Amino acid sequence: ILNVEQSPQSLHVQEGDSTNFTCSFPSSNFYALHWYRWETAKSPEALFVMTLNGDEKKKGRISATLNTKEGYSYLYIKGSQPEDSATYLCASGGGYNKLIFGAGTRLAVHP
Amino acid sequence: DGGITQSPKYLFRKEGQNVTLSCEQNLNHDAMYWYRQDPGQGLRLIYYSQIVNDFQKGDIAEGYSVSREKKESFPLTVTSAQKNPTAFYLCASSIGGRRYQETQYFGPGTRLLVL
Repeated sequence: ILNVEQSPQSLHVQEGDSTNFTCSFPSSNFYALHWYRWETAKSPEALFVMTLNGDEKKKGRISATLNTKEGYSYLYIKGSQPEDSATYLCASGGGYNKLIFGAGTRLAVHP
Repeated sequence: DGGITQSPKYLFRKEGQNVTLSCEQNLNHDAMYWYRQDPGQGLRLIYYSQIVNDFQKGDIAEGYSVSREKKESFPLTVTSAQKNPTAFYLCASSIGGRRYQETQYFGPGTRLLVL
């Protein structure tokens, strides 16, 4: 079973701060890397799917990069807003579309 | 609106009882999944189904059973053999043709508690 690790476990920032967190996965078993945002009392929502080394994806103030050779992905949020408060999950695709999820990074953005 | 619904939101199980969690999707997706979340852990795959009348065990299938008689429905039964069922359960679906690259769409979840 793949181990997908996320750090930090939680993060508190002030409104307007930029922040980033890390997802690490075994590079030898890489197929695809997914990022999801999970707001309290809502369903997890897909942010990005990345497959190629060097991939960069952007959605508004949120962007992600992928390094498959060293087995990590970064998620960046520029100018954090209170509505960005959520748990951010990453998952590595492990065959037959099974996803192995990390435990998530819980972000709290304070006004 | 297309999406995934799960019911009930909260479910209470008595000792020795089987309970069934409902998952319905109207996205016309072939693939459906059940995950379990425990505090401090990532989502863990219980069962998945790539097509009607076919399903596969995930990483923690013991004590659970599923059926896939209709494309839109993938109910999960938590049997009395599951000794630690208290958890949050998420159902998801995906289109079903591109395997690991497919986005999964999640329902709102069911929290199962043991009385």
